[in-house]
Amino acid sequence: DQQVKQNSPSLSVQEGRISILNCDYTNSMFDYFLWYKKYPAEGPTFLISISSIKDKNEDGRFTVFLNKSAKHLSLHIVPSQPGDSAVYFCAASQGPAAYSGAGSYQLTFGKGTKLSVIP
Amino acid sequence: DTEVTQTPKHLVMGMTNKKSLKCEQHMGHRAMYWYKQKAKKPPELMFVYSYEKLSINESVPSRFSPECPNSSLLNLHLHALQPEDSALYLCASARQGQETQYFGPGTRLLVL
Repeated sequence: DQQVKQNSPSLSVQEGRISILNCDYTNSMFDYFLWYKKYPAEGPTFLISISSIKDKNEDGRFTVFLNKSAKHLSLHIVPSQPGDSAVYFCAASQGPAAYSGAGSYQLTFGKGTKLSVIP
Repeated sequence: DTEVTQTPKHLVMGMTNKKSLKCEQHMGHRAMYWYKQKAKKPPELMFVYSYEKLSINESVPSRFSPECPNSSLLNLHLHALQPEDSALYLCASARQGQETQYFGPGTRLLVL
């Protein structure tokens, strides 16, 4: 049972336009959400996160929106640049409910969306 | 500084070999993780260490043996692997009490 879903395996966007990546979740116990960016043969790079007490978090060109009632979050990239071309993973944590002892949390990842920004 | 380093970058091994993967961080993080990632799939959690103690083992076969010798180092010892174990092995660390995990570049493992 997939608790974090990224239903679009790929997305193509023109350079300078907005990229919107979507993520849905089913577990209502998730209370912290993260986006990671991954280039081929590299580890995921942390981009931005949001706590369930917020509905928006911004960091430069990246904004994450959270709609708790819809169990939906999205990552907006404005303006999109060719260097943004990568696979983007959405991840979620249950917070203290998933506290596995002495300060560690488990993340549940979506399958990823491959973003291609066309120059 | 959010750097996690992993060595080697690439590893090819036979099914009878014994090898080890190494992960290091100097951010003072006391939670460290091993993940396995196959192509076009999300990272899959294998082990979690908290304060150098194994806190989670996600039903990983015994041919994978983790070790955390100190707060900066995490090893994954490999023995008698199968070709289906070929994957990208990722290490991550996090500050205690925080959800954000920082990943290393991974070790690309090929089992022949």
